[in-house]
Amino acid sequence: GAGVSQSPSNKVTEKGKDVELRCDPISGHTALYWYRQSLGQGLEFLIYFQGNSAPDKSGLPSDRFSAERTGGSVSTLTIQRTQQEDSAVYLCASSLGSLGGTDTQYFGPGTRLTVL
Amino acid sequence: AQSVAQPEDQVNVAEGNPLTVKCTYSVSGNPYLFWYVQYPNRGLQFLLKYITGDNLVKGSYGFEAEFNKSQTSFHLKKPSALVSDSALYFCAVRVNTNAGKSTFGDGTTLTVKP
Repeated sequence: GAGVSQSPSNKVTEKGKDVELRCDPISGHTALYWYRQSLGQGLEFLIYFQGNSAPDKSGLPSDRFSAERTGGSVSTLTIQRTQQEDSAVYLCASSLGSLGGTDTQYFGPGTRLTVL
Repeated sequence: AQSVAQPEDQVNVAEGNPLTVKCTYSVSGNPYLFWYVQYPNRGLQFLLKYITGDNLVKGSYGFEAEFNKSQTSFHLKKPSALVSDSALYFCAVRVNTNAGKSTFGDGTTLTVKP
């Protein structure tokens, strides 16, 4: 079946503009995660959605970052008033969500964001 | 707080030789450990995971990893490296009390030379 998809694959924006990044998880996966991967760095956790529970937003770096998950499926990560330090690859992952910390995360190809 | 260390930024091996990519972790409670591989301009692909039971875990593409509780390590191994194994490898840890948050290491670039 289809894997996790993300759009756009690349986004170039000017400093101060808002951007929206989209993630379509694997069908039937109730858990969805966003990570940020900066050049030469590991993955930085941003936010986690599990079913109808309140999301874990503990990784969002500032109030310019927000995310929604509509209908338990598609998710949008929004960055307002982008800054150059926001330039990174934003990765989305999904998992079954039924096994707690043991279930495998499946990653999308990422969105490369460049803020000029 | 949980953390993962991958002490080597780069590992170089000759094709046909065994390879090891090191990972150590720190958590409160029982760890769930994962290895992922990332090829250029691609997302992360799952290789294997340790949940409980046998300390030696076998995964995709001939990779395996050994969980060592006393040394808090989960090193990735392969008996005979291929040039196509060249990629960026990430180790990650989770705990059941914080199921949504995977903590990743900074990654190790594996280069296999013919």
